Amino acid sequence: QKEVEQNSGPLSVPEGAIASLNCTYSDRGSQSFFWYRQYSGKSPELIMSIYSNGDKEDGRFTAQLNKASQYVSLLIRDSQPSDSATYLCAVNQRGGGNKLTFGTGTQLKVEL
Amino acid sequence: EAEVAQSPRYKITEKSQAVAFWCDPISGHATLYWYRQILGQGPELLVQFQDESVVDDSQLPKDRFSAERLKGVDSTLKIQPAELGDSAMYLCASSSQETQYFGPGTRLLVL
Repeated sequence: QKEVEQNSGPLSVPEGAIASLNCTYSDRGSQSFFWYRQYSGKSPELIMSIYSNGDKEDGRFTAQLNKASQYVSLLIRDSQPSDSATYLCAVNQRGGGNKLTFGTGTQLKVEL
Repeated sequence: EAEVAQSPRYKITEKSQAVAFWCDPISGHATLYWYRQILGQGPELLVQFQDESVVDDSQLPKDRFSAERLKGVDSTLKIQPAELGDSAMYLCASSSQETQYFGPGTRLLVL
């Protein structure tokens, strides 16, 4: 079992729709969770961080965390073509010294 | 806005040659990370520094890779000799607390 799992996609959504990106992790003691956006050929850019169960909203982005289910998700409302990118889920595992473990990323395509 | 700087942005080299990458973290960030990202995969940590000390280099192929951060500020990652399988994006990140910020990366192609 991979430590951080994501569906590689591509996930295709029409412009204006809600995109839902999912991530599961294996270490139940994980404390911090991050979503990064990565455009093709570019470096990861931080979108959201979440530390507590529940929802965290920032503009069109909402991160959701459920530690009991070991599940974290990212919702993108009113999806735009500029949101087309790979979204990386990263987990800071217990005792990891702030080491992030990344999933393989989900490719999102927002279609006109 | 402060950013992580990396150079070069692109590097093409032949196998068995030496190559070096440089990273300057965000000012005041004590922790510096080097990651390798192979196409289609997530970044994987190679080495983590806290100030000038190595915190984690468990995934660094030490027979050919070396990293240093002599004054606890900027850092250099070296590969000698380079192999075809080293072709990847090499990412530097820094943090003051938990959130890591990435530089633009160095794309390495080994021929």
